[in-house]
Amino acid sequence: GQNIDQPTEMTATEGAIVQINCTYQTSGFNGLFWYQQHAGEAPTFLSYNVLDGLEEKGRFSSFLSRSKGYSYLLLKELQMKDSASYLCAVLDSNYQLIWGAGTKLIIKP
Amino acid sequence: DAMVIQNPRYQVTQFGKPVTLSCSQTLNHNVMYWYQQKSSQAPKLLFHYYDKDFNNEADTPDNFQSRRPNTSFCFLDIRSPGLGDAAMYLCATSRATGGTDTQYFGPGTRLTVL
Repeated sequence: GQNIDQPTEMTATEGAIVQINCTYQTSGFNGLFWYQQHAGEAPTFLSYNVLDGLEEKGRFSSFLSRSKGYSYLLLKELQMKDSASYLCAVLDSNYQLIWGAGTKLIIKP
Repeated sequence: DAMVIQNPRYQVTQFGKPVTLSCSQTLNHNVMYWYQQKSSQAPKLLFHYYDKDFNNEADTPDNFQSRRPNTSFCFLDIRSPGLGDAAMYLCATSRATGGTDTQYFGPGTRLTVL
């Protein structure tokens, strides 16, 4: 079967750095997405990785290791508005998007 | 500036009473998706349209139907909603299904079944 694993919940402090991990087992791989979803709202696109390595976009960075079936999303200089769920999703060999259940990130002052 | 629009944002219906959710897009994307998302769970793909070609997921109940009368609009019909159908329904679009085309989501419709 296909599986995406992420921690259910994480807590971090405003101004700090947090790393959200995602491991996957899918039939084929055509890239990995990270989405941010605030409570009661739709997911919004954050990043896409298809090659190994780190992609940096402002305060957010995303890393991929295909050999390990592993990715992480790194959030720096945390702000209260970063409190949200972060969903990892993988495009499988059929270009179907396989979603993780999301990691709820709680930011404390 | 809204690119994917869903109406209504909140919908209340009675057990067994048909309900229709709507989605429209201004992106001129070829693909439109409907997802069901329950609290603290991953979005679950119900079906998608590539242009007029309808693709149903194998485990999508027959109770759920969809229509896409033109490029811009797509509808989700729930013929006989049950209590278990209460969820957030997300519409998304992408240029195509292959490659790296990002899916863009609408704000969702939260369905309550009484």
